[in-house]
Amino acid sequence: GDSVTQMEGPVTLSEEAFLTINCTYTATGYPSLFWYVQYPGEGLQLLLKATKADDKGSNKGFEATYRKETTSFHLEKGSVQVSDSAVYFCVILGGAQKLVFGQGTRLTINP
Amino acid sequence: NAGVTQTPKFRILKIGQSMTLQCAQDMNHNYMYWYRQDPGMGLKLIYYSVGAGITDKGEVPNGYNVSRSTTEDFPLRLELAAPSQTSVYFCASSYGSSGAQETQYFGPGTRLLVL
Repeated sequence: GDSVTQMEGPVTLSEEAFLTINCTYTATGYPSLFWYVQYPGEGLQLLLKATKADDKGSNKGFEATYRKETTSFHLEKGSVQVSDSAVYFCVILGGAQKLVFGQGTRLTINP
Repeated sequence: NAGVTQTPKFRILKIGQSMTLQCAQDMNHNYMYWYRQDPGMGLKLIYYSVGAGITDKGEVPNGYNVSRSTTEDFPLRLELAAPSQTSVYFCASSYGSSGAQETQYFGPGTRLLVL
């Protein structure tokens, strides 16, 4: 079945560091891909998405590119801030039109 | 708009007790969902609804029931709580006719502990 594997956490970085959170998936065809973020005490919210191969989703300085050759959708940001501390979920739209979630990566940014 | 709201935020149940987790949205969304998240795992779909009066099972429906009598509300019922139901429960909603293709909006979650 469809599945998502993302980088194990927790990840701790210093402010202004470069961030990469790896995500790979297994699915039939070319599913839509998403990154959701959960800030402390809040519900998940959509960060960015890409719906076809080579699309780049971007928002709030974060980027992710849909790579069908490597079935990956890695999340990157050039300079992280303390306010980026959250849990990040890589998500695909599975074959049954249902979302399939990775396990989440907790990110902590120290000043 | 309040978005998606969930109550309670936290609850402790004894084995065999029952409870209802409440979920409401004020965005006039057609689709609503219940997920559970176990420690270190991704969210798994319990039940979903495509409109008032219509519900369907997700990946892990056993031990739960839902109803959708109005567009706004989508309560999740736990009958005979078991320790395996200890989890964080998220409710979500979306508008579009393509269902999960549309952005889902999540509530803040309900943390449930069954002892």
